[in-house]
Amino acid sequence: AQSVTQPDIHITVSEGASLELRCNYSYGATPYLFWYVQSPGQGLQLLLKYFSGDTLVQGIKGFEAEFKRSQSSFNLRKPSVHWSDAAEYFCAVGAGSGGYQKVTFGIGTKLQVIP
Amino acid sequence: EAQVTQNPRYLITVTGKKLTVTCSQNMNHEYMSWYRQDPGLGLRQIYYSMNVEVTDKGDVPEGYKVSRKEKRNFPLILESPSPNQTSLYFCASSLGQRGIYNEQFFGPGTRLTVL
Repeated sequence: AQSVTQPDIHITVSEGASLELRCNYSYGATPYLFWYVQSPGQGLQLLLKYFSGDTLVQGIKGFEAEFKRSQSSFNLRKPSVHWSDAAEYFCAVGAGSGGYQKVTFGIGTKLQVIP
Repeated sequence: EAQVTQNPRYLITVTGKKLTVTCSQNMNHEYMSWYRQDPGLGLRQIYYSMNVEVTDKGDVPEGYKVSRKEKRNFPLILESPSPNQTSLYFCASSLGQRGIYNEQFFGPGTRLTVL
């Protein structure tokens, strides 16, 4: 069974500073990896996803993530954070084949942005 | 407008009183899923469906039932709700039967309180 670890429950950064949110996964084969964002009181929105190919993927809102197989990681980055980025971020892994199609989410990282 | 709708958005009920939370999508998606979101636990998958009449358990199916009689609808049924099912529930859908590959579109959430 797959699992996802987001080691940082809460992160505070200053507006304009760089950001890196960590995600580690556990799965025997190549997983399908996602980052979602949840603004307060809202559902989740996809930021980016990785299936194969280039290990650096670009997403919406200026976010990017890098897949590192050797470290089982898929960290999310943004070079300059805006106040509107304050939200909760979830890493997710999709795994399975045939009739087994489960998606597992991490517990989330809540981002606070200070002026 | 492409969307996933859930009803009701808020529900307070009592232990043992059967309830149904409806979910409907207008994107002709094959894959649909239910999650519950709890503080410190992130999103956990309850059930998923790869297509009409095809459903399977996620990570926390106990106490829940689902059905998929039509492609667009995926209701979540709590036959005998208990206080530990107090949570925020999200329905999601994605294109294709293999939900692990594709972006999931989330509904706005249903906040359920069981007294």
